[in-house]
Amino acid sequence: AQKVTQTQTSISVMEKTTVTMDCVYETQDSSYFLFWYKQTASGEIVFLIRQDSYKKENATVGHYSLNFQKPKSSIGLIITATQIEDSAVYFCAMREGVSSGSWQLIFGSGTQLTVMP
Amino acid sequence: GPKVLQIPSHQIIDMGQMVTLNCDPVSNHLYFYWYKQILGQQMEFLVNFYNGKVMEKSKLFKDQFSVERPDGSYFTLKIQPTALEDSAVYFCASSPRLGGGAETLYFGSGTRLTVL
Repeated sequence: AQKVTQTQTSISVMEKTTVTMDCVYETQDSSYFLFWYKQTASGEIVFLIRQDSYKKENATVGHYSLNFQKPKSSIGLIITATQIEDSAVYFCAMREGVSSGSWQLIFGSGTQLTVMP
Repeated sequence: GPKVLQIPSHQIIDMGQMVTLNCDPVSNHLYFYWYKQILGQQMEFLVNFYNGKVMEKSKLFKDQFSVERPDGSYFTLKIQPTALEDSAVYFCASSPRLGGGAETLYFGSGTRLTVL
């Protein structure tokens, strides 16, 4: 069964610094897809970035990047040059490939990021 | 990015009543989902829907729940009858196709359901 674990419940950083949020996952599938979303204070859920398991290169989108360590089943989110508006809850999520027979996107419990001026 | 619209944003009803939550998915998307989030917790999968059929549902998708998308209109989640434990925020999501699990889901802003 698939599982996603985020052990950091909350992180506080100063503006313009770099922060890393951890996520580890469990899957029996050889092909899977990893996603990061953020949930703003208004409740909106925004897709940020994804990593496909077969890709060795870490994904990068704007000031978001991923630290994909496949042997450790780890997919960390790195935010560089943080801004006040990055304050949100960040969710890691995983979806297995078609061979698993399941289409569920499984979420972690989230990490509350607070960026301080 | 692509926008999924949910109507209403907040719904308050008495226990035992029926409620319908509405979702307007991204226009060219074919797969639709409902997720449930209890305050302060992660989102949990309820159901996904394609071509007029439920593809997969979780144990949270009780017999009182149903989904449909009649004639390309809103994708709806109906709960009949509601129970106190149904109070949560319900998120709708859509994706263009499943593509072996690779497709990104885009979420709406949620409907906060309060059952009294």
